[in-house]
Amino acid sequence: DAMVIQNPRYQVTQFGKPVTLSCSQTLNHNVMYWYQQKSSQAPKLLFHYYDKDFNNEADTPDNFQSRRPNTSFCFLDIRSPGLGDAAMYLCATSRGTGESPLHFGNGTRLTVT
Amino acid sequence: AQRVTQPEKLLSVFKGAPVELKCNYSYSGSPELFWYVQYSRQRLQLLLRHISRESIKGFTADLNKGETSFHLKKPFAQEEDSAMYYCALTGHNQGGKLIFGQGTELSVKP
Repeated sequence: DAMVIQNPRYQVTQFGKPVTLSCSQTLNHNVMYWYQQKSSQAPKLLFHYYDKDFNNEADTPDNFQSRRPNTSFCFLDIRSPGLGDAAMYLCATSRGTGESPLHFGNGTRLTVT
Repeated sequence: AQRVTQPEKLLSVFKGAPVELKCNYSYSGSPELFWYVQYSRQRLQLLLRHISRESIKGFTADLNKGETSFHLKKPFAQEEDSAMYYCALTGHNQGGKLIFGQGTELSVKP
């Protein structure tokens, strides 16, 4: 009954080789978020979509892009992964109001070799 | 600047002991505060939010605007409470996006 599904659970890519992480939801939520979480650190918001409106965080590197082709799916594209991009990537959804909780996926752990 | 601070990386207690996980925040405006929990090998999930004023799994948290704190408390810890706990904040017009604290790992020993 998973409602926010991230694939794959583990992803290995080579330095500089583009990689795409995917997220889908069955909650029909307006908002989808991508967070990056490095070891022993807080999850850090990269960007989010409110419906079709893309909202990038000011300090998100240009190397990170996102696509949301429809309500259910959202992708995280890393154009040229560096060793520093190795992290857990968390997708989350919400209705988008202040008090609405976020629903997280299990995350994708990215390794860059 | 908006910030959430959890001063303890690790909190270790014995079963049955009281637990308090500290959270302080910095926010100019009226924040919405949450506690999220991540059990071993499970996804991050909502534990409770200040607006609900509820007790979940015996945990409570009170928003203290004077001290800008939202500490998480439980009178008698259980082994199954062992997990990673994150305090998080959002603003009224932030579209629900959360700012997380660094997290506190709670270890409850038998």
